[in-house]
Amino acid sequence: NAGVTQTPKFRVLKTGQSMTLLCAQDMNHEYMYWYRQDPGMGLRLIHYSVGEGTTAKGEVPDGYNVSRLKKQNFLLGLESAAPSQTSVYFCASSPTMTSGVFSAAYEQYFGPGTRLTVT
Amino acid sequence: AQTVTQSQPEMSVQEAETVTLSCTYDTSESDYYLFWYKQPPSRQMILVIRQEAYKQQNATENRFSVNFQKAAKSFSLKISDSQLGDAAMYFCAYYGNKLVFGAGTILRVKS
Repeated sequence: NAGVTQTPKFRVLKTGQSMTLLCAQDMNHEYMYWYRQDPGMGLRLIHYSVGEGTTAKGEVPDGYNVSRLKKQNFLLGLESAAPSQTSVYFCASSPTMTSGVFSAAYEQYFGPGTRLTVT
Repeated sequence: AQTVTQSQPEMSVQEAETVTLSCTYDTSESDYYLFWYKQPPSRQMILVIRQEAYKQQNATENRFSVNFQKAAKSFSLKISDSQLGDAAMYFCAYYGNKLVFGAGTILRVKS
């Protein structure tokens, strides 16, 4: 299994440009997440999805859009990039939350991250 | 809202020694989960250890153990017999209905 993969690994954008980050997982997980990591702030949740065709806002959703057209993919879009969106972006996935007994139900599996710089 | 605080921006430990990383959290919930993640320079987030709040017994994974004090809302990570490969950023995280991370502690291991 490849686990969680992210494309691309690095990207430099000019202010106002758009781009899409792709996250793919091969573990048949229901839940998927997008985080951003900034120095001194840990990871913050941007958007998440509890299943194919559903998305929800996280802590810092402004300036981002997401789509989950297929269960294994979760896309993060920046329509008009701003320097404040310079960050490292992580995708994660986790199994269903409806497990009666905790095992790995709440464990999130992370991708390798994408470093995005907006100039 | 839940918050997670890691009060130590950086810690250093001599190889083979023991180090403890601190974490406190704030929540009004009684049922939740706590995690420590390791992030080496490769940026990959690696789960080190997990603790279910309903379990009184502290979790242990080889050289890694936690001191979970539910009443004090404290969740510290102890690394025994530190190795050079333990050098990384360590994040404490709380899960109630979503994962909330602390700001991280950089651990340096001296040979």
